[in-house]
Amino acid sequence: AQKVTQAQTEISVVEKEDVTLDCVYETRDTTYYLFWYKQPPSGELVFLIRRNSFDEQNEISGRYSWNFQKSTSSFNFTITASQVVDSAVYFCALSEGGSNYKLTFGKGTLLTVNP
Amino acid sequence: ETGVTQTPRHLVMGMTNKKSLKCEQHLGHNAMYWYKQSAKKPLELMFVYNFKEQTENNSVPSRFSPECPNSSHLFLHLHTLQPEDSALYLCASSQGVSSGANVLTFGAGSRLTVL
Repeated sequence: AQKVTQAQTEISVVEKEDVTLDCVYETRDTTYYLFWYKQPPSGELVFLIRRNSFDEQNEISGRYSWNFQKSTSSFNFTITASQVVDSAVYFCALSEGGSNYKLTFGKGTLLTVNP
Repeated sequence: ETGVTQTPRHLVMGMTNKKSLKCEQHLGHNAMYWYKQSAKKPLELMFVYNFKEQTENNSVPSRFSPECPNSSHLFLHLHTLQPEDSALYLCASSQGVSSGANVLTFGAGSRLTVL
C-alpha cells in the first residue's frame, strides 16, 4: 500500500528565511506521480507541482524548488526567502500508475511565516 | 465563475437533519470527487464520478449519499449524521481518471459541523 509521510507537523519561520518541507513516500509501483498542494486559510487546495517517477530532475519555479530523490523516496519542497503569504498548510501526495485519481495525501505541514 | 465552486461554505446541522452540499465546476472536466478533511488526519477520498458514473465509493457510510446529475455538478446529500462527521468536505475535478498526468482542481470546501 502506498503511504506519504510528512514528519513536520508545524514549522514557524521569520520572513526571508529559507524553509524546507519534507516528504517521504512508499510505493511498490515503478510508475507513480508525486504532487505538492498548498492550502491557504481560505480552504481550497492549490496545485503546485506534479512529477512522475521517471523524472528526477529538480525543479525551480520562482522562490519554490523541489528535490526529488528516488534513492531516499523523498520529494522535498523548499521555499526561498519566505514571505507571509506563504503561510499555509502544504500537502505532499502520491498516486500510483493509472489510478491518478487515488491520491494518497500526507497529513500536511502547517507553515507559519512571521513578519 | 471559474474553477470549482462549493456551497454552502459553512453548515451546522443536527443529527436528525437532512442537508446537501453542492459542487459546481466550470472547467469542462469529466471527473468529480468528494474528499473529507478531518483535523489531524490525511485527506480521505470518498467518492469519484467519471462522466456522471460513480467509479469509486471508498467504504463511505450510507448516511452520505452522492449525486452527479451531469459532469459539471456534484452533490453530497447528508442525513442522520454523527458528530464525528464534522469536517471540511472538499470537492475536486479533473479532466478524467485514466491518465496519471491529470491534476485535481479543488474547491474551497464546505465546513460541516454536526451537533
